Amino acid sequence: KAGVTQTPRYLIKTRGQQVTLSCSPISGHRSVSWYQQTPGQGLQFLFEYFSETQRNKGNFPGRFSGRQFSNSRSEMNVSTLELGDSALYLCASSFPGQGPYEQYFGPGTRLTVT
Amino acid sequence: DQQVKQNSPSLSVQEGRISILNCDYTNSMFDYFLWYKKYPAEGPTFLISISSIKDKNEDGRFTVFLNKSAKHLSLHIVPSQPGDSAVYFCAAPLRSGNTPLVFGKGTRLSVIA
Repeated sequence: KAGVTQTPRYLIKTRGQQVTLSCSPISGHRSVSWYQQTPGQGLQFLFEYFSETQRNKGNFPGRFSGRQFSNSRSEMNVSTLELGDSALYLCASSFPGQGPYEQYFGPGTRLTVT
Repeated sequence: DQQVKQNSPSLSVQEGRISILNCDYTNSMFDYFLWYKKYPAEGPTFLISISSIKDKNEDGRFTVFLNKSAKHLSLHIVPSQPGDSAVYFCAAPLRSGNTPLVFGKGTRLSVIA
């Protein structure tokens, strides 16, 4: 099976712009979660989608949003970018009942905001 | 509020010796714990897990110990190999059930040949 894929892998944006990141989960996985990794904070949970519905949400401002499509692919959007949004954004997918709580991560999208 | 804490940002160990990575948690409701390993330019990969009904789980060179009274778990790698050099994250599910994970900040392990 192909793993979780994320596009693009690298992105450079300017403050105030917006960005959309894409994630394709492992075939058959219906849950997609997004995490932000920064050197000072480790991995922080952004949100989770299951069957096109947001099921859980972390403590991030409303500038961060996401959605999931009927084929389980997911996108996250960050509007009005700030310098502090520079981070590695990781997507993870899981299949209920397969390895309790186990999530499979993609390689991430490295976002740099200048 | 950091519910999962890894207080050692880095650890260096000689090849062949034991590596011990520590993790503390504050939420007594956590009932499952996972360790992930992350290489540069790759996403984290699942390594080993433990349920709160156990105090030890072993998988090859990797063993995780859980001390519920101390709210502490540790990952032992024996013997350590250069390929084990990576960042290790401790994690726990946000709530019971298939829910997203709360991660520690990670410990960078360097195994020196």
